[in-house]
Amino acid sequence: GAVVSQHPSWVICKSGTSVKIECRSLDFQATTMFWYRQFPKQSLMLMATSNEGSKATYEQGVEKDKFLINHASLTLSTLTVTSAHPEDSSFYICSTGGGTGQGNTEAFFGQGTRLTVV
Amino acid sequence: AQSVTQPDIHITVSEGASLELRCNYSYGATPYLFWYVQSPGQGLQLLLKYFSGDTLVQGIKGFEAEFKRSQSSFNLRKPSVHWSDAAEYFCAVGASWGKLQFGAGTQVVVTP
Repeated sequence: GAVVSQHPSWVICKSGTSVKIECRSLDFQATTMFWYRQFPKQSLMLMATSNEGSKATYEQGVEKDKFLINHASLTLSTLTVTSAHPEDSSFYICSTGGGTGQGNTEAFFGQGTRLTVV
Repeated sequence: AQSVTQPDIHITVSEGASLELRCNYSYGATPYLFWYVQSPGQGLQLLLKYFSGDTLVQGIKGFEAEFKRSQSSFNLRKPSVHWSDAAEYFCAVGASWGKLQFGAGTQVVVTP
């Protein structure tokens, strides 16, 4: 299957600082990527849909100015948590399909990023 | 509105015993259905998926799932669990492969 690499795997930052998380599709071109957040002992919640070359689409309740998404190329989407606070501490996971065009039948997930804001 | 329900938050099963994880969904159209497994601190691995056709789907690691439209269910089964099957299991539904709604997850514990 396709390979999706997410970096970093874990990060600790101070309150008020910003953190950037990268999601790369290593062996295909992805026009669309998805960002999910998972709080401890909870399920994944879709945060936003990242579209290459255009603005991301955010789910209801997700602050677009706080969670900045950039999808400048077909192999890279980034999520920046701005002015992070302890309540932003979570597990962030990206996903994408197997490539552009038709025929995608499953999502491939990155290994996730554990963010801890202190 | 679409939703996914996994009634069992936690299941304990003996190694070698059978396992069944329940998943019920509510969706306005014929959904794409998925089962994913997540080990602690890890991303998600696809076990199997259903789009159309044969309602009994075979997946990796000996798992299978059956789509029952009349019951809006997509239950996951494994005849004989191994200690390595201990993990969190998520059922997911969507209009395609991408934008998915996940159930709350079922934590599976395997005892010797």
